[in-house]
Amino acid sequence: QKEVEQNSGPLSVPEGAIASLNCTYSDRVSQSFFWYRQYSGKSPELIMSIYSNGDKEDGRFTAQLNKASQYVSLLIRDSQPSDSATYLCAVNREYNNDMRFGAGTRLTVKP
Amino acid sequence: DGGITQSPKYLFRKEGQNVTLSCEQNLNHDAMYWYRQDPGQGLRLIYYSQIVNDFQKGDIAEGYSVSREKKESFPLTVTSAQKNPTAFYLCASSPKPEASGYTFGSGTRLTVV
Repeated sequence: QKEVEQNSGPLSVPEGAIASLNCTYSDRVSQSFFWYRQYSGKSPELIMSIYSNGDKEDGRFTAQLNKASQYVSLLIRDSQPSDSATYLCAVNREYNNDMRFGAGTRLTVKP
Repeated sequence: DGGITQSPKYLFRKEGQNVTLSCEQNLNHDAMYWYRQDPGQGLRLIYYSQIVNDFQKGDIAEGYSVSREKKESFPLTVTSAQKNPTAFYLCASSPKPEASGYTFGSGTRLTVV
């Protein structure tokens, strides 16, 4: 079992729709959770962090965390073509102080 | 502006050659990291350093070496022992590794010729 698993996609949504990206992790001691956006050929960019159960909203982005189910999600409201990218889920293992990344989900927003 | 600078952007390595990738940050971050990214795979940790003059191996350290002589700098050497070095290499830093996300450099794309 991979430490951080994501559906590789591609996930295609029409412009203006809600895009839902999901991630599961295997290490129960994980404490910090992050979403990065990576455009093709570019480096990852941090867009959301979440540390406690529940929802965290930032503009059009909402991160959701459920530690009991070991599940993290990212919702993108009013999706725009500029949101088309690969989204990486990352989990930080406190006792080892290093970040584990999923392989990413490729999102395409069609005009 | 603060950030992380990686150089060069593109690098070509001949068989049997060692090459060094540069990573410099002016964010005053304590922790620095090197990741490798291959198509269709997640980022894999090569080495990380939480303090000057100290560093730890990640999951795929074989064939790589690093140094951390200054807080700002964390160069990565890809040695001839690394048999499949063609990949996208990413350097990152963070102020508190247990609480913060990472800031990434723009990456170095290494190709074996």
